[in-house]
Amino acid sequence: KNQVEQSPQSLIILEGKNCTLQCNYTVSPFSNLRWYKQDTGRGPVSLTIMTFSENTKSNGRYTATLDADTKQSSLHITASQLSDSASYICVVNDRGSTLGRLYFGRGTQLTVWP
Amino acid sequence: EADIYQTPRYLVIGTGKKITLECSQTMGHDKMYWYQQDPGMELHLIHYSYGVNSTEKGDLSSESTVSRIRTEHFPLTLESARPSHTSQYLCASSESRQGDQPQHFGDGTRLSIL
Repeated sequence: KNQVEQSPQSLIILEGKNCTLQCNYTVSPFSNLRWYKQDTGRGPVSLTIMTFSENTKSNGRYTATLDADTKQSSLHITASQLSDSASYICVVNDRGSTLGRLYFGRGTQLTVWP
Repeated sequence: EADIYQTPRYLVIGTGKKITLECSQTMGHDKMYWYQQDPGMELHLIHYSYGVNSTEKGDLSSESTVSRIRTEHFPLTLESARPSHTSQYLCASSESRQGDQPQHFGDGTRLSIL
């Protein structure tokens, strides 16, 4: 069973609009959570990383939030652009061992229309 | 800017052929990884390496093998390709001090076995 669930599976918005992507996880113990952006035909690129003590982190028009109590994270995209069309992947790292382990979500496919 | 390169980008080949997917990084990262990704699904770790002459199998069973003779090079080999090997293969690398989390991904090799 996948321990990282993302919603929605896909999303279509108009250029200039805002959107919020959700990530719920059951991974424990928790070390950190990353959001990646994966353009079609390319490898994922890290957008943000959040540790247990962080609630909000921004990277330009991307703002990630983390609620470690409810094990939820969100990625908010402001004033969307056509180039935001991509898959957004939530990745959780545990600290169950010195090596850690990564748990990947299946991604939210975002399409921005002009 | 990530400096991790995968070749070929696309490969269509017949069943039974031996295949080597190349991955090279110029960042001097100790840790390297191979992931398998099918459309709409999460990334699955198939191999990883923490340094030269160190290789381990990942979470997803794979008939492929890897080698790490040089820090910058982490090739993946399929001795006898089968249609079930059709997938996208992503290589990644990270610095040891940042924990067990890939920071930089290559753009992948899309493999199709006929």
